[in-house]
Amino acid sequence: QQQVKQSPQSLIVQKGGISIINCAYENTAFDYFPWYQQFPGKGPALLIAIRPDVSEKKEGRFTISFNKSAKQFSLHIMDSQPGDSATYFCAAYNQGGKLIFGQGTELSVKP
Amino acid sequence: GAGVSQSPSNKVTEKGKDVELRCDPISGHTALYWYRQSLGQGLEFLIYFQGNSAPDKSGLPSDRFSAERTGGSVSTLTIQRTQQEDSAVYLCASSSQTGVWETQYFGPGTRLLVL
Repeated sequence: QQQVKQSPQSLIVQKGGISIINCAYENTAFDYFPWYQQFPGKGPALLIAIRPDVSEKKEGRFTISFNKSAKQFSLHIMDSQPGDSATYFCAAYNQGGKLIFGQGTELSVKP
Repeated sequence: GAGVSQSPSNKVTEKGKDVELRCDPISGHTALYWYRQSLGQGLEFLIYFQGNSAPDKSGLPSDRFSAERTGGSVSTLTIQRTQQEDSAVYLCASSSQTGVWETQYFGPGTRLLVL
């Protein structure tokens, strides 16, 4: 119930391509869905977040698509760049004050 | 301004020893969280502090783990009688308050290796 399942574990994309990372959850009480980006040797940093009352949020090349009925959400990175190579974590907010994180996706963008 | 800082950045210890990991949150942030990140794994919640409220310890994996937060600021995570499975990156995060939409700001982590 408290899990957030993320896929794929790793992803290789060519420069200029679209990177897509998917997450699914079970707990309908989750009401805030952020994505965090982590570079090697650094802590995660908030990238973009969405509320379940909207189906899409776009910030620059990054878009979250949210499907409330399917309990799924995804991150799309348009025109992927080598500088986007990092580990991406989806997360869901638990009303108890905790973020529940997915297992992470290691993205590599090849030049 | 200064972000979340953690020390030490790396710690190598022998099995059975105790270790203390320190977190300095962003000034003024009332909420503080500890997570554990094992190799290739997601972030596992350990404990969080909110103001003067009793901490939520529900994520601590065993009674060898404990944490305290002094004066509502600095926090120390203590692992007693370390085991090899404790090897991981321990991340600290802080936010201005606990609630929806409050961004958690993470420190760089402490990499713990138990030999």
